[in-house]
Amino acid sequence: DAGVIQSPRHEVTEMGQEVTLRCKPISGHNSLFWYRQTMMRGLELLIYFNNNVPIDDSGMPEDRFSAKMPNASFSTLKIQPSEPRDSAVYFCASTELDTIYFGEGSWLTVV
Amino acid sequence: SQKIEQNSEALNIQEGKTATLTCNYTNYSPAYLQWYRQDPGRGPVFLLLIRENEKEKRKERLKVTFDTTLKQSLFHITASQPADSATYLCALPGSSNTGKLIFGQGTTLQVKP
Repeated sequence: DAGVIQSPRHEVTEMGQEVTLRCKPISGHNSLFWYRQTMMRGLELLIYFNNNVPIDDSGMPEDRFSAKMPNASFSTLKIQPSEPRDSAVYFCASTELDTIYFGEGSWLTVV
Repeated sequence: SQKIEQNSEALNIQEGKTATLTCNYTNYSPAYLQWYRQDPGRGPVFLLLIRENEKEKRKERLKVTFDTTLKQSLFHITASQPADSATYLCALPGSSNTGKLIFGQGTTLQVKP
């Protein structure tokens, strides 16, 4: 299995631009998570889907952030408009039973 | 609110020694606890899961204990090697039982040859 696949791996964008991060979970996994990691705040859960339905989005920082999961094999996290404080590593992860499998992350820099 | 604490200071040890990392939690009664390893520039990788009714769990050179009275888990790496150098994260399920995991800040381990 290829694991959780994320794109892009690195993104540098200007403040105010729209950013879309993409994720392909491991086939057969029913749950998908978006996490954000920074030095200051560590690994924070943004949103969690189960069977393509958003279950818990309490971690989404504000309305500028949105996430979708149109089918079992694809999810997006969108930031519009982006701000410098959104600079972080964004991880997508999918689960088998109680174990979470992470992608390699999307490194976002907003200048 | 739920809180997970790991030593923020890096742990430096000599090769061959046992590394012990600590994870403390408050306002929690988790059904299980997990440990992950994260290398620079990579995503966290699952290592071990220990359930509330298990006192100890082992996997090769790794050992995890879970004390629900002290609200603490200890993560041991015996006969440590430079390749064990990484950041180690503990994680607990959110209290709402939605399946989400909440992570500690992680402790960075440096094993010197």
